Amino acid sequence: SAVISQKPSRDICQRGTSLTIQCQVDSQVTMMFWYRQQPGQSLTLIATANQGSEATYESGFVIDKFPISRPNLTFSTLTVSNMSPEDSSIYLCSVAQGGSSTEAFFGQGTRLTVV
Amino acid sequence: ILNVEQSPQSLHVQEGDSTNFTCSFPSSNFYALHWYRWETAKSPEALFVMTLNGDEKKKGRISATLNTKEGYSYLYIKGSQPEDSATYLCAFNDRGSTLGRLYFGRGTQLTVWP
Repeated sequence: SAVISQKPSRDICQRGTSLTIQCQVDSQVTMMFWYRQQPGQSLTLIATANQGSEATYESGFVIDKFPISRPNLTFSTLTVSNMSPEDSSIYLCSVAQGGSSTEAFFGQGTRLTVV
Repeated sequence: ILNVEQSPQSLHVQEGDSTNFTCSFPSSNFYALHWYRWETAKSPEALFVMTLNGDEKKKGRISATLNTKEGYSYLYIKGSQPEDSATYLCAFNDRGSTLGRLYFGRGTQLTVWP
């Protein structure tokens, strides 16, 4: 299993500003996943972050809006840039168990409100 | 984008009631089906990972079944308790995607009244 510490747990931000969310894993993992849950919607993948390469973004998400860093195998950040009220969501990082297992582990989530 | 549907969206039951939720997912290219329990301000907690058609899994008062041919899974809670109140998420892996990449339903929000 993996334990993930995600910070901050919540924040209220002014529109036009940026927020960086951090995830620290207690073990080395190859891939980390960043999800977003807008109100009333499902958790949706923003991007997959591999160490040593650029993140792979899903359709509808771009690097300029959601830059991701992955400096080593235990840490990643997601920045929500130039925020608008539509960015108000829960953001969640996740890692896979590894090997052939599909079990995933999650951070505690970041509840972001943009005013 | 793969659609995962969950119903009902929310459920309110009395303590002691038994309840069940439904998850439907694409039946083609199936790899695994997950159930998570998610309480506010906590990490989603894995309940079950199921991979085989006909799988039935049980953990205490909670159990789940899987039908990969028709693309649905049921989660059952027997004798609901107030501490069962949470959002229950269903998530799907398909064979074509990166291992660990999940497609989620919107969840079923369960409230158990004492």
